[in-house]
Amino acid sequence: DGGITQSPKYLFRKEGQNVTLSCEQNLNHDAMYWYRQDPGQGLRLIYYSQIVNDFQKGDIAEGYSVSREKKESFPLTVTSAQKNPTAFYLCASSIGQGRTDTQYFGPGTRLTVL
Amino acid sequence: GDSVTQMEGPVTLSEEAFLTINCTYTATGYPSLFWYVQYPGEGLQLLLKATKADDKGSNKGFEATYRKETTSFHLEKGSVQVSDSAVYFCALSDPGGTSYGKLTFGQGTILTVHP
Repeated sequence: DGGITQSPKYLFRKEGQNVTLSCEQNLNHDAMYWYRQDPGQGLRLIYYSQIVNDFQKGDIAEGYSVSREKKESFPLTVTSAQKNPTAFYLCASSIGQGRTDTQYFGPGTRLTVL
Repeated sequence: GDSVTQMEGPVTLSEEAFLTINCTYTATGYPSLFWYVQYPGEGLQLLLKATKADDKGSNKGFEATYRKETTSFHLEKGSVQVSDSAVYFCALSDPGGTSYGKLTFGQGTILTVHP
């Protein structure tokens, strides 16, 4: 079955540590995205990538980094510079970035900083 | 900039009741509009979408019509079930904005349906 996988489902981090969240898709989509969700709020865009080896900052990129070395993979690193990293992180992909293209979401990773 | 405003929740209904969740938007270009649903602890699933004015998106008994004159995309269902309990997000995709392909989301509306 085609889809998006994210791992791990739950992640705990100590303050000062970097952590990397995995996102893999087998939908053959060109575009991939990372969103952050906080309780009672909508999703906010962290980074997005239109093609391999290219990515752009979203609305809240500070304290995060990404890479796009393969079409299928778009890992997100939450660095120690992110002041409030505890949140639910969602990865998405779409066939392109046209206005009618639907974004499909993975199951999410819940990150908790201890 | 682009924005989406949803009716505040939570919304609590009895099974078989009629559902409306209001959504209005502002956009710099000509957006596509989406409704996503999120079940507890899960990611978002596309519920329906509409890409031009007067289009009606529909799925699983849910409907929404793209109203350009009122900049609205209200979600409706004639008879809700307990299994519809979830968080519903309205979103828009506006290539006229600064982040091509970016989805702008409303804050979400929690729906609880009781037997």
